This record gives sequence, C-alpha cells and structure tokens, in this order.
Amino acid sequence: SQTIHQWPATLVQPVGSPLSLECTVEGTSNPNLYWYRQAAGRGLQLLFYSVGIGQISSEVPQNLSASRPQDRQFILSSKKLLLSDSGFYLCAWISRGYNSPLHFGNGTRLTVT
Amino acid sequence: QQQVKQSPQSLIVQKGGISIINCAYENTAFDYFPWYQQFPGKGPALLIAIRPDVSEKKEGRFTISFNKSAKQFSLHIMDSQPGDSATYFCAASMRSGFQKLVFGTGTRLLVSP
Repeated sequence: SQTIHQWPATLVQPVGSPLSLECTVEGTSNPNLYWYRQAAGRGLQLLFYSVGIGQISSEVPQNLSASRPQDRQFILSSKKLLLSDSGFYLCAWISRGYNSPLHFGNGTRLTVT
Repeated sequence: QQQVKQSPQSLIVQKGGISIINCAYENTAFDYFPWYQQFPGKGPALLIAIRPDVSEKKEGRFTISFNKSAKQFSLHIMDSQPGDSATYFCAASMRSGFQKLVFGTGTRLLVSP
C-alpha cells in the first residue's frame, strides 16, 4: 500500500534561520508531488509541484524553494525564514492515473519566532 | 477564474441534523470536484468526489449535489455526528493533463451532542 511520510511534525525556528522539510512516498513510482501551505482562514495554497526528479514548478513567489532529488522524495527549503513563513505545511502526492485522488501527509506545523 | 469560493466559514449543527456546505467555481474547464475532511493536526483526507456528468453522488451519510449550470456544488452530511466535527474543504481541478487542485477556504463544522 502507498504511504506518505512527512517530518518533522512540529518545528519552531527563529527568524533568519534555514528550513528543510522532507517528504517521502512509499509504494508508488513516479508520482506527482506537491507542497501546500495552510494558513488559518485561507485554505490550502499550492506552493510547488513536481512531475519528476529535478522538475519543480513554483506557484507563488516567496521565500521558499523546493527540490526533488529522488523519485519519491520532495524537500521544501528556505535559506532565511520570515515570520510570514509560519503555517501548516502539507506534502501530497498523486499517482499517474486518471482517477487517482490526491493524498496528503500529516503536515508540519512551522512556527517562526 | 481559478478560485473556488466556499461557505460558510464555520457551522454548528446539532447531532442528527443535516450539515450543508456550499462551493462555487468559475472555470468551466474544471471536471473533478472532491471534498476533503481534515481533523486537527492531520492532513486532509479525501471524503467523496464527483464528476460533472452526474448531479448527485452519495456515499453513506455524505452526498455531493452538483449544479453544472450554476457552477455550484455542495456537501450534505445527513444525521450529523460529533465525530463529523472537522474542517471540510471543497476543491476543483481538470482531470486531464496535470492534476492541480484548487481548494476552497474551508468550513469548520462542529456537531454538538
């Protein structure tokens, strides 16, 4: 069965510090991968998506970047965190089937202090 | 044109009552409309989904009603239970090509005992 792992679950970081959030998917090959951010009252905002290794598309200009070094690994990074980067970050994947649903990880709660 | 508007923002329903959440979209190219359920501290999970070739889909106590001409769809939760208390998100996408869901802003449902 397919599973998605996202870590850490919670993170408190000072302003200006770097960030690295990791997501891995098991049980599937060549998935589309996504990073979403959830802010209170603002729903789920798509940040990045990837259709393959090294292929990253950005949806929103921001202080963050993403990388896909392996087929089932997706990393969200920042060189210097801002207060506005606080939020709930969700990794998601979808397999390459017409009727495949989007599956989310359990997210990382990031607080920038 | 990529937005999905969701209402209400929050909803309180008594146990046994009907919960109704509404969404509206503008992009007529959307052809996939899922609903996601999210419990605190967890990622959203697919609840039920509909394609525009049907006007209604029912799974247990959950029903999606779809009005293509009005570009609206809604989630009905019959016999609402305290365990249904969660945040619900509607979403829309085009299933052909690259799947990229656009989410509503979410509805926080509280079912009182």
